Amino acid sequence: AQTVTQSQPEMSVQEAETVTLSCTYDTSENNYYLFWYKQPPSRQMILVIRQEAYKQQNATENRFSVNFQKAAKSFSLKISDSQLGDTAMYFCAFMKLTYNDMRFGAGTRLTVKP
Amino acid sequence: DAGITQSPRHKVTETGTPVTLRCHQTENHRYMYWYRQDPGHGLRLIHYSYGVKDTDKGEVSDGYSVSRSKTEDFLLTLESATSSQTSVYFCATSGQGSNQPQHFGDGTRLSIL
Repeated sequence: AQTVTQSQPEMSVQEAETVTLSCTYDTSENNYYLFWYKQPPSRQMILVIRQEAYKQQNATENRFSVNFQKAAKSFSLKISDSQLGDTAMYFCAFMKLTYNDMRFGAGTRLTVKP
Repeated sequence: DAGITQSPRHKVTETGTPVTLRCHQTENHRYMYWYRQDPGHGLRLIHYSYGVKDTDKGEVSDGYSVSRSKTEDFLLTLESATSSQTSVYFCATSGQGSNQPQHFGDGTRLSIL
């Protein structure tokens, strides 16, 4: 079974600074996808960024980027120029290719301070 | 987004009563999922569907059943609700293809007293 571990239950960052959220996973699969989802207080689950395991290049979406280390099974999220609207729970997720089966970490609560 | 509607948004009920949550999607997505979200656990998969009348168990399926009689609707049923099933329930959908992310509904907060 796949497991996803987020070792930082809570983090905080000053507005405009950079923060990195950690995620590790365990799998025997060779091909899979990794995602970061954001859940603001509104409870919506919003896709932030995704990474295909077969791509060595790290994914980037505006201020959000990942550091994907396949051998180490690590998938961290870097948020640059943090904004107050980035305050949310962030979930790392692993997806098998079969039935798009997804497993989530327990989440990291990020607070951006003014 | 993926046009996912969950109903009801909130529900309070008593132990031992049956409860059905509905997920309706307008995107014709093949895959549908039910998750529960609890503090410290993230989202855990209850059941999923890979087509009409095709469903399978997730990691926390005990006490839950599902049905999918139409592409657009995926029902989650608690036959006899227990207090341990108090949670926030999310429905998600995913399109055909192995690289499709899941899109989520807004969740249903279920309280069982």
